[in-house]
Amino acid sequence: GEDVEQSLFLSVREGDSSVINCTYTDSSSTYLYWYKQEPGAGLQLLTYIFSNMDMKQDQRLTVLLNKKDKHLSLRIADTQTGDSAIYFCAEKRDQAGTALIFGKGTTLSVSS
Amino acid sequence: EADIYQTPRYLVIGTGKKITLECSQTMGHDKMYWYQQDPGMELHLIHYSYGVNSTEKGDLSSESTVSRIRTEHFPLTLESARPSHTSQYLCASSELKRGDTDTQYFGPGTRLTVL
Repeated sequence: GEDVEQSLFLSVREGDSSVINCTYTDSSSTYLYWYKQEPGAGLQLLTYIFSNMDMKQDQRLTVLLNKKDKHLSLRIADTQTGDSAIYFCAEKRDQAGTALIFGKGTTLSVSS
Repeated sequence: EADIYQTPRYLVIGTGKKITLECSQTMGHDKMYWYQQDPGMELHLIHYSYGVNSTEKGDLSSESTVSRIRTEHFPLTLESARPSHTSQYLCASSELKRGDTDTQYFGPGTRLTVL
């Protein structure tokens, strides 16, 4: 299909790892992004990965890319209550193209 | 930290009013975008611009219009607001540089409610 797919909800306990999954649509997508949105706020870029990479790590965040399956995941180590937010996966399909194609977002709830 | 601003943050207005949502960025980015986001839904592109005097419609049809007279400014206008326009409107910008990540930076959004 044409949509970027994400599971809608994830609930974890503080200190655990969170893994948010995303399936994108276009194998020619050049960049894939993870954005975080807190209540009432805009989107904050967390990280991105270029399509020729398998993995990218940035402090507590690890992005894994399986290009064959068009599957992207975001792992948050040692999840904190401040990580509670909606996480959006997005793909950029065209180098000179227009906007990003977003998933519907995964709501991460962290309990203490 | 991105320098992109949107005003107002919240707007409640009656049907039939003309409204303009402001978006400004101080990063000198050529590309700017407007997205519409309904609660619990993904973002949909409604307008974008590659630079001054360039405006294009996005994937989602919208009754709003935009203008780009200055690089840093990309206002969105609704001539006659209706309840169906109630939504969150997010502005973003990015650099127009081939081969670059074209990372988009977002403003805080305007939550519009039309009564």
